[in-house]
Amino acid sequence: ETGVTQTPRHLVMGMTNKKSLKCEQHLGHNAMYWYKQSAKKPLELMFVYSLEERVENNSVPSRFSPECPNSSHLFLHLHTLQPEDSALYLCASSQDGPGLAAQETQYFGPGTRLLVL
Amino acid sequence: GQNIDQPTEMTATEGAIVQINCTYQTSGFNGLFWYQQHAGEAPTFLSYNVLDGLEEKGRFSSFLSRSKGYSYLLLKELQMKDSASYLCAVRSPSGFKTIFGAGTRLFVKA
Repeated sequence: ETGVTQTPRHLVMGMTNKKSLKCEQHLGHNAMYWYKQSAKKPLELMFVYSLEERVENNSVPSRFSPECPNSSHLFLHLHTLQPEDSALYLCASSQDGPGLAAQETQYFGPGTRLLVL
Repeated sequence: GQNIDQPTEMTATEGAIVQINCTYQTSGFNGLFWYQQHAGEAPTFLSYNVLDGLEEKGRFSSFLSRSKGYSYLLLKELQMKDSASYLCAVRSPSGFKTIFGAGTRLFVKA
């Protein structure tokens, strides 16, 4: 298994559907991230988990609900989304923590391209 | 506020050298990253600078001036496969939060 994997790669859903995005990292990292990438906009950090605890929550609407059951898996549960939520959702992982070298980079998964109709 | 600026698009010729600039204004600084992102793919790590100066890695070099809030990515001997978006990102002191610029789309022409 390579690096960071995400499923599904593509998802089309209606505004009343409930779906979940899955991310798995095989790098032994202790921090995982969800980002949203819309066309021609910067990557937007949504959530950060470190050692399975949420450490960042960037004013994300409650229709996005993250879950981190262990340090290797991260989910993003979606419900009653809006068309403007259509974007590429990227998961990343890194080895982070107090006292560690700050150059520990984030490794990204291939993303889930989401279309909300 | 937090702001990272980089040019939207650049075009360069195969074999040439191109410099992609990035200026930042952030509340706190703990390093600057450059990522490469091909269309439809995930960003991949290129370089990291936390001290002033130039870091060289093969055909790619990255420069940082913390006092000026400025960095650049230098790509030498351009190849067609270098056509991609290049993302500048600043890491916060907490270590977990990284602010990304909107990216510079580089087109390499023959």
